[in-house]
Amino acid sequence: GENVEQHPSTLSVQEGDSAVIKCTYSDSASNYFPWYKQELGKGPQLIIDIRSNVGEKKDQRIAVTLNKTAKHFSLHITETQPEDSAVYFCAASRVSGAGSYQLTFGKGTKLSVIP
Amino acid sequence: GAGVSQSPSNKVTEKGKDVELRCDPISGHTALYWYRQSLGQGLEFLIYFQGNSAPDKSGLPSDRFSAERTGGSVSTLTIQRTQQEDSAVYLCASSITGTASSKYFGPGTRLTVT
Repeated sequence: GENVEQHPSTLSVQEGDSAVIKCTYSDSASNYFPWYKQELGKGPQLIIDIRSNVGEKKDQRIAVTLNKTAKHFSLHITETQPEDSAVYFCAASRVSGAGSYQLTFGKGTKLSVIP
Repeated sequence: GAGVSQSPSNKVTEKGKDVELRCDPISGHTALYWYRQSLGQGLEFLIYFQGNSAPDKSGLPSDRFSAERTGGSVSTLTIQRTQQEDSAVYLCASSITGTASSKYFGPGTRLTVT
């Protein structure tokens, strides 16, 4: 089955700096990679996702890059703000076929943005 | 529009008791998922419902866990004879289809077994 590794487990940055979280996956058939933000006491919120037909996707201050050859993908947050402080999870799944609905999650990165 | 809702938000129960957790998915979403999140851990897949198809129960940790989805909408996750290791946050998610369409999570139910 799929295995997703996420690093770092904790990350502290100064407000205004950039934050990068990296994930690797094991199943070469995976081709859908969402990122979730989870604030304390809340459920995970989908913030951005990417499919394997593109190498990069941006949405305002967040971007995700994907390297299918190396089987890794990354979340980039620029101009970080205190409200970006949360736990971020990466995940991977197949778009179609057996198990395509089943997301495999990384163990999360706790991001702290220091004012 | 309304998101995924779950109830109760918190549940404290004694070891050995049965509990029922409820999930209301986003209207029109045919796929529904249950995940478990233990302290400091990622999300563990439990069960998946898609329309009228037989559910994928491959993630359920033991036969004490079961789930139903009535009328293709509301789902109930039942844990019988709860154990302390069942303490976790139980998250429900829904998506428009069962393929890799965007999945939206509810706020979760925090279960504490004493």
